[in-house]
Amino acid sequence: NAGVMQNPRHLVRRRGQEARLRCSPMKGHSHVYWYRQLPEEGLKFMVYLQKENIIDESGMPKERFSAEFPKEGPSILRIQQVVRGDSAAYFCASSPPGTGQFFGPGTRLTVL
Amino acid sequence: QQPVQSPQAVILREGEDAVINCSSSKALYSVHWYRQKHGEAPVFLMILLKGGEQKGHEKISASFNEKKQQSSLYLTASQLSYSGTYFCGTVSLESNTGKLIFGQGTTLQVKP
Repeated sequence: NAGVMQNPRHLVRRRGQEARLRCSPMKGHSHVYWYRQLPEEGLKFMVYLQKENIIDESGMPKERFSAEFPKEGPSILRIQQVVRGDSAAYFCASSPPGTGQFFGPGTRLTVL
Repeated sequence: QQPVQSPQAVILREGEDAVINCSSSKALYSVHWYRQKHGEAPVFLMILLKGGEQKGHEKISASFNEKKQQSSLYLTASQLSYSGTYFCGTVSLESNTGKLIFGQGTTLQVKP
């Protein structure tokens, strides 16, 4: 039973480019969460999605960041016009309703 | 508002016990505990729901004091593999989306 899958594992972008991070939840999990972790810091909630719906995006920066979880395919976190401050580890987690969340291996984004 | 964890760091010898605390200013629905090793994804340990229960597996257990909005993680007879950063994540009663807010983490180092 495959766990949460994220790709790419490492992503390097130059300032101003776009970054697309993908997350495939565990089989049977309908809830997807995205978190950002800066070096040596804790996990910051970004967005919570269910299929075709954004449930809570209170942690998303107002500009440049967007997320989706289409009916078919993985969840996508999209960062437009990246800046150096976007460099971080981005984790996706999935869960069935009302239980603990299971994290993917993360995508480490480096902005040059 | 972010829950507060204490202590910030702990150093133990193998076989010693440790307690990590997590305190919230908000009324809580649930508390989640995770362990993260450097460069890796957080790993789900357990979830405690409103009701003041205690749970555990192997030598790691936790309690949730609903009246004080506090949870404690107990590590007994620690092993080298317990080293890592422990995060509590809380879901508040006022949240209607179930998003997790994480504490700043407690770094545990177990020495031989």
